[in-house]
Amino acid sequence: EPEVTQTPSHQVTQMGQEVILRCVPISNHLYFYWYRQILGQKVEFLVSFYNNEISEKSEIFDDQFSVERPDGSNFTLKIRSTKLEDSAMYFCASSEETGASNEQFFGPGTRLTVL
Amino acid sequence: AQSVTQLGSHVSVSEGALVLLRCNYSSSVPPYLFWYVQYPNQGLQLLLKYTSAATLVKGINGFEAEFKKSETSFHLTKPSAHMSDAAEYFCAVRSNFGNEKLTFGTGTRLTIIP
Repeated sequence: EPEVTQTPSHQVTQMGQEVILRCVPISNHLYFYWYRQILGQKVEFLVSFYNNEISEKSEIFDDQFSVERPDGSNFTLKIRSTKLEDSAMYFCASSEETGASNEQFFGPGTRLTVL
Repeated sequence: AQSVTQLGSHVSVSEGALVLLRCNYSSSVPPYLFWYVQYPNQGLQLLLKYTSAATLVKGINGFEAEFKKSETSFHLTKPSAHMSDAAEYFCAVRSNFGNEKLTFGTGTRLTIIP
């Protein structure tokens, strides 16, 4: 069964460093998303991406964040200068369609720890 | 703005007993509603969704949920709990036009007592 994959499963970084979280969406999907979950809190939407551009972003997704689809298979989230409060589980998701038929398939997540 | 509230961050039921996980939503427009399950070290898996068709929605693993507009609720139920149901369950809401983002509740951890 097709699935969304994410690497690495756990990333530890020092405050101020750049990190890139990688995702491989399901191959025929066209819509891509990043969510995050700070320990003990809700899963929060960060950004959605379609046709090589951001279609929506939350207030969390500030200038420190960027997304890219560098090739036909990967979808990346970059945090330019990490802060302690960026420590969270980051989930990538993808969907084939939008609207009522939009089912977002989630990856297993990358746990980011900022020291 | 849309939101969902999940009552009870932890729920414990005995094996074979009824599972009831509560979710109430707030939305200014008719919403789409979802239940996701997360097993340890795995991603979020869709259990079921309501998209304005039948108000009683059946999902995977024997779960179902009923959309009740008068109560703004979308509670998740399963008649008989199995040990394998132990997981974290998330209710989520999405607008039915334009906006594709999911807004999640805080989650309910379900424990099954043998």
